Amino acid sequence: NAGVTQTPKFQVLKTGQSMTLQCAQDMNHEYMSWYRQDPGMGLRLIHYSVGAGITDQGEVPNGYNVSRSTTEDFPLRLLSAAPSQTSVYFCASSYSTDLTGELFFGEGSRLTVL
Amino acid sequence: GENVGLHLPTLSVQEGDNSIINCAYSNSASDYFIWYKQESGKGPQFIIDIRSNMDKRQGQRVTVLLNKTVKHLSLQIAATQPGDSAVYFCAENIYMIKAAGNKLTFGGGTRVLVKP
Repeated sequence: NAGVTQTPKFQVLKTGQSMTLQCAQDMNHEYMSWYRQDPGMGLRLIHYSVGAGITDQGEVPNGYNVSRSTTEDFPLRLLSAAPSQTSVYFCASSYSTDLTGELFFGEGSRLTVL
Repeated sequence: GENVGLHLPTLSVQEGDNSIINCAYSNSASDYFIWYKQESGKGPQFIIDIRSNMDKRQGQRVTVLLNKTVKHLSLQIAATQPGDSAVYFCAENIYMIKAAGNKLTFGGGTRVLVKP
Protein backbone atom coordinates (compact mmCIF):
# COMPACT_ATOMS: atom_id res chain seq x y z
CA ASN A 1 0.00 0.00 0.00
CA ALA A 2 1.25 3.46 -0.87
CA GLY A 3 -1.08 5.10 1.68
CA VAL A 4 -1.81 8.76 0.94
CA THR A 5 0.12 10.17 -1.99
CA GLN A 6 0.38 13.88 -2.68
CA THR A 7 1.79 15.59 -5.76
CA PRO A 8 3.63 17.82 -6.32
CA LYS A 9 5.86 17.99 -3.24
CA PHE A 10 7.01 21.50 -4.08
CA GLN A 11 5.48 24.22 -6.25
CA VAL A 12 6.15 27.89 -6.88
CA LEU A 13 3.38 29.99 -8.37
CA LYS A 14 2.94 33.61 -9.34
CA THR A 15 -0.01 35.56 -7.97
CA GLY A 16 -3.09 34.88 -10.04
CA GLN A 17 -1.97 31.52 -11.41
CA SER A 18 -4.08 28.43 -10.90
CA MET A 19 -3.04 24.93 -10.02
CA THR A 20 -4.27 21.65 -8.61
CA LEU A 21 -2.75 19.71 -5.76
CA GLN A 22 -3.35 16.03 -6.24
CA CYS A 23 -4.17 13.56 -3.49
CA ALA A 24 -4.77 9.84 -3.88
CA GLN A 25 -5.24 7.06 -1.34
CA ASP A 26 -5.30 3.33 -1.95
CA MET A 27 -6.86 2.27 1.37
CA ASN A 28 -10.49 2.54 0.27
CA HIS A 29 -11.07 5.26 2.84
CA GLU A 30 -14.38 7.07 2.80
CA TYR A 31 -13.16 10.23 4.49
CA MET A 32 -10.62 12.54 2.87
CA SER A 33 -9.59 16.05 3.79
CA TRP A 34 -7.19 18.87 3.07
CA TYR A 35 -5.34 20.87 5.72
CA ARG A 36 -2.92 23.73 5.51
CA GLN A 37 -0.10 24.23 7.97
CA ASP A 38 1.47 27.61 8.56
CA PRO A 39 4.54 28.37 10.74
CA GLY A 40 3.76 28.25 14.44
CA MET A 41 0.21 27.17 13.84
CA GLY A 42 -1.60 23.91 13.90
CA LEU A 43 -3.26 22.35 10.92
CA ARG A 44 -6.39 24.06 9.69
CA LEU A 45 -9.06 22.23 7.77
CA ILE A 46 -9.77 23.56 4.27
CA HIS A 47 -12.28 21.09 2.79
CA TYR A 48 -13.31 17.55 3.48
CA SER A 49 -15.33 14.73 1.94
CA VAL A 50 -17.21 11.85 3.52
CA GLY A 51 -17.54 9.94 0.27
CA ALA A 52 -17.55 10.17 -3.49
CA GLY A 53 -19.72 13.05 -4.65
CA ILE A 54 -19.89 14.63 -1.17
CA THR A 55 -17.74 17.56 -0.11
CA ASP A 56 -18.02 20.27 2.50
CA GLN A 57 -16.14 23.30 3.74
CA GLY A 58 -13.79 23.33 6.66
CA GLU A 59 -12.38 26.21 8.66
CA VAL A 60 -10.56 28.07 5.87
CA PRO A 61 -12.21 27.22 2.51
CA ASN A 62 -11.94 30.57 0.72
CA GLY A 63 -9.81 30.47 -2.41
CA TYR A 64 -9.95 26.68 -2.72
CA ASN A 65 -12.20 24.24 -4.56
CA VAL A 66 -12.46 20.48 -4.26
CA SER A 67 -14.29 17.61 -5.90
CA ARG A 68 -14.58 13.91 -5.13
CA SER A 69 -15.48 12.00 -8.26
CA THR A 70 -13.90 8.75 -7.02
CA THR A 71 -13.20 7.22 -3.63
CA GLU A 72 -9.46 7.33 -4.29
CA ASP A 73 -8.88 10.92 -5.41
CA PHE A 74 -9.47 14.28 -3.76
CA PRO A 75 -7.81 17.13 -5.67
CA LEU A 76 -7.50 20.64 -4.25
CA ARG A 77 -7.74 23.50 -6.72
CA LEU A 78 -6.43 27.02 -6.32
CA LEU A 79 -8.24 29.12 -8.93
CA SER A 80 -6.24 32.34 -8.50
CA ALA A 81 -3.27 31.94 -6.19
CA ALA A 82 -2.49 34.63 -3.62
CA PRO A 83 0.61 35.10 -1.41
CA SER A 84 -1.59 34.30 1.62
CA GLN A 85 -1.90 30.77 0.25
CA THR A 86 1.81 30.13 0.72
CA SER A 87 1.76 27.17 3.04
CA VAL A 88 2.32 23.45 3.40
CA TYR A 89 -0.73 21.47 2.40
CA PHE A 90 -1.57 18.05 3.79
CA CYS A 91 -4.11 15.60 2.51
CA ALA A 92 -5.46 13.09 5.01
CA SER A 93 -7.83 10.15 4.91
CA SER A 94 -9.64 7.94 7.35
CA TYR A 95 -11.61 4.73 7.05
CA SER A 96 -14.24 6.04 9.38
CA THR A 97 -16.18 9.18 8.63
CA ASP A 98 -16.70 9.78 12.33
CA LEU A 99 -12.91 9.99 12.66
CA THR A 100 -12.79 7.74 15.72
CA GLY A 101 -9.66 6.18 14.41
CA GLU A 102 -6.40 6.97 12.76
CA LEU A 103 -6.23 9.81 10.26
CA PHE A 104 -3.54 9.04 7.69
CA PHE A 105 -1.61 11.99 6.31
CA GLY A 106 0.36 12.41 3.13
CA GLU A 107 3.89 13.81 3.10
CA GLY A 108 2.73 17.32 2.27
CA SER A 109 2.94 19.75 -0.64
CA ARG A 110 4.90 22.94 -0.06
CA LEU A 111 3.44 25.83 -2.05
CA THR A 112 5.02 29.25 -2.46
CA VAL A 113 3.06 32.05 -4.11
CA LEU A 114 5.14 35.02 -5.22
CA GLY B 1 -14.38 30.59 19.09
CA GLU B 2 -13.47 27.43 20.90
CA ASN B 3 -10.04 25.97 20.20
CA VAL B 4 -7.40 23.54 21.24
CA GLY B 5 -4.18 25.02 22.58
CA LEU B 6 -0.86 24.06 24.11
CA HIS B 7 0.98 25.50 27.12
CA LEU B 8 4.60 24.87 26.07
CA PRO B 9 5.80 25.59 22.55
CA THR B 10 9.22 23.93 23.10
CA LEU B 11 10.24 21.16 25.48
CA SER B 12 13.87 20.11 25.93
CA VAL B 13 14.32 16.69 27.46
CA GLN B 14 17.36 14.67 28.41
CA GLU B 15 17.55 11.31 26.68
CA GLY B 16 16.15 8.65 28.99
CA ASP B 17 13.95 11.05 30.93
CA ASN B 18 10.18 11.14 30.72
CA SER B 19 8.44 13.85 28.67
CA ILE B 20 5.11 15.42 29.42
CA ILE B 21 3.33 17.47 26.76
CA ASN B 22 0.25 19.41 27.78
CA CYS B 23 -2.80 20.54 25.88
CA ALA B 24 -5.82 22.57 26.92
CA TYR B 25 -9.12 22.42 25.12
CA SER B 26 -12.13 24.63 25.51
CA ASN B 27 -14.88 22.82 23.63
CA SER B 28 -16.85 20.95 26.25
CA ALA B 29 -18.66 19.00 23.51
CA SER B 30 -15.43 17.36 22.33
CA ASP B 31 -15.61 13.64 22.94
CA TYR B 32 -12.53 12.27 21.23
CA PHE B 33 -8.91 13.37 21.41
CA ILE B 34 -5.86 12.40 19.44
CA TRP B 35 -2.11 13.00 19.65
CA TYR B 36 -0.04 13.26 16.51
CA LYS B 37 3.71 13.35 16.00
CA GLN B 38 5.23 15.26 13.10
CA GLU B 39 8.85 14.80 12.17
CA SER B 40 10.61 17.39 10.06
CA GLY B 41 9.48 17.31 6.44
CA LYS B 42 6.83 14.68 7.01
CA GLY B 43 3.11 14.51 7.58
CA PRO B 44 1.66 14.00 11.08
CA GLN B 45 1.52 10.46 12.37
CA PHE B 46 -1.08 9.09 14.77
CA ILE B 47 0.30 8.27 18.21
CA ILE B 48 -2.61 7.54 20.49
CA ASP B 49 -6.22 8.50 21.03
CA ILE B 50 -8.67 8.61 23.89
CA ARG B 51 -12.42 8.93 24.19
CA SER B 52 -14.10 11.20 26.68
CA ASN B 53 -15.43 8.26 28.69
CA MET B 54 -11.86 7.39 29.67
CA ASP B 55 -9.29 9.30 31.73
CA LYS B 56 -6.21 7.32 30.82
CA ARG B 57 -4.97 5.21 27.97
CA GLN B 58 -1.59 3.58 27.50
CA GLY B 59 0.34 2.63 24.42
CA GLN B 60 3.89 1.63 23.79
CA ARG B 61 5.96 4.07 25.89
CA VAL B 62 3.17 6.63 25.69
CA THR B 63 0.29 7.44 27.99
CA VAL B 64 -2.49 9.93 27.38
CA LEU B 65 -4.32 11.45 30.32
CA LEU B 66 -7.62 13.27 30.04
CA ASN B 67 -9.00 15.54 32.74
CA LYS B 68 -12.44 16.65 31.65
CA THR B 69 -12.98 18.72 34.77
CA VAL B 70 -10.30 21.21 33.76
CA LYS B 71 -10.40 20.39 30.03
CA HIS B 72 -6.80 19.24 29.96
CA LEU B 73 -5.04 16.59 27.93
CA SER B 74 -1.47 15.38 28.32
CA LEU B 75 0.88 13.02 26.54
CA GLN B 76 3.56 11.28 28.54
CA ILE B 77 6.50 9.67 26.78
CA ALA B 78 8.54 7.28 28.89
CA ALA B 79 12.32 7.01 28.50
CA THR B 80 12.49 9.64 25.76
CA GLN B 81 14.71 8.70 22.84
CA PRO B 82 16.36 10.80 20.11
CA GLY B 83 13.75 9.47 17.68
CA ASP B 84 11.08 11.17 19.76
CA SER B 85 12.34 14.60 18.67
CA ALA B 86 9.44 16.07 16.72
CA VAL B 87 6.48 18.41 16.96
CA TYR B 88 3.52 16.98 18.82
CA PHE B 89 -0.05 18.07 18.17
CA CYS B 90 -3.16 17.40 20.12
CA ALA B 91 -6.45 17.39 18.28
CA GLU B 92 -10.05 17.23 19.34
CA ASN B 93 -13.05 15.89 17.49
CA ILE B 94 -16.71 16.27 18.03
CA TYR B 95 -18.70 13.23 17.00
CA MET B 96 -21.22 14.08 14.35
CA ILE B 97 -23.66 12.07 12.33
CA LYS B 98 -22.16 10.33 9.33
CA ALA B 99 -23.77 12.59 6.78
CA ALA B 100 -22.27 15.67 8.37
CA GLY B 101 -18.78 14.28 8.65
CA ASN B 102 -16.32 15.21 11.31
CA LYS B 103 -13.79 17.93 11.83
CA LEU B 104 -10.63 17.64 13.79
CA THR B 105 -9.36 20.81 15.44
CA PHE B 106 -5.62 20.86 15.99
CA GLY B 107 -3.60 22.72 18.57
CA GLY B 108 -0.55 24.80 17.65
CA GLY B 109 2.00 22.09 18.44
CA THR B 110 4.86 21.56 20.92
CA ARG B 111 8.39 20.92 19.73
CA VAL B 112 10.23 18.26 21.72
CA LEU B 113 14.02 18.33 21.57
CA VAL B 114 15.83 15.33 23.00
CA LYS B 115 19.33 16.05 24.27
CA PRO B 116 21.85 13.21 24.20
